Amino acid sequence: AQSVTQLGSHVSVSEGALVLLRCNYSSSVPPYLFWYVQYPNQGLQLLLKYTSAATLVKGINGFEAEFKKSETSFHLTKPSAHMSDAAEYFCAVSDQTSGSRLTFGEGTQLTVNP
Amino acid sequence: GAVVSQHPSWVICKSGTSVKIECRSLDFQATTMFWYRQFPKQSLMLMATSNEGSKATYEQGVEKDKFLINHASLTLSTLTVTSAHPEDSSFYICSARDPAGSTDTQYFGPGTRLTVL
Repeated sequence: AQSVTQLGSHVSVSEGALVLLRCNYSSSVPPYLFWYVQYPNQGLQLLLKYTSAATLVKGINGFEAEFKKSETSFHLTKPSAHMSDAAEYFCAVSDQTSGSRLTFGEGTQLTVNP
Repeated sequence: GAVVSQHPSWVICKSGTSVKIECRSLDFQATTMFWYRQFPKQSLMLMATSNEGSKATYEQGVEKDKFLINHASLTLSTLTVTSAHPEDSSFYICSARDPAGSTDTQYFGPGTRLTVL
């Protein structure tokens, strides 16, 4: 069985500050890991994904995430927050053998203060 | 990038009626589509996996007779909520798997807001 834990249901940062959203996973097989962003009343947009290649993954909108097997983590970062980054962020895991069946974390609401 | 659409984007219906939601992959063929529901301020919960030409696979606790899924073509899957009740009010999101992609990636539709009165 797989699971994802996102530490912190709400994160608030100032515009221009570092964004760090935490994600830890549990998987019995090598995982695929994803970060998605959701704006109000919209579907999910893929930010980035880890698929057993480079451990540091760069995504859209300046976001990146690092896969750390020893820590079972896949934290999302962005050096400088923009107001437009305010949204809900979901970490998800797939075990590659389940036909893309994704297990989502509970989500983290990011607020960016001016 | 791959685009998935949903129709309608929102719907209001009376209790006891049925509602059909469409999910389309616009620029790729999706042999597999997924249906999720999302309650306010919560995460996505997978309801079922829809495979073209075969019966959908439902997650535990999801009533297959209430949530009818049809995947009639490689670009269209439908979810019909039968005899809807207020507790079925939710945000329903579909996704489609692009098999031509380099990795197992799902592309999500914009969601459908269902309100049952």
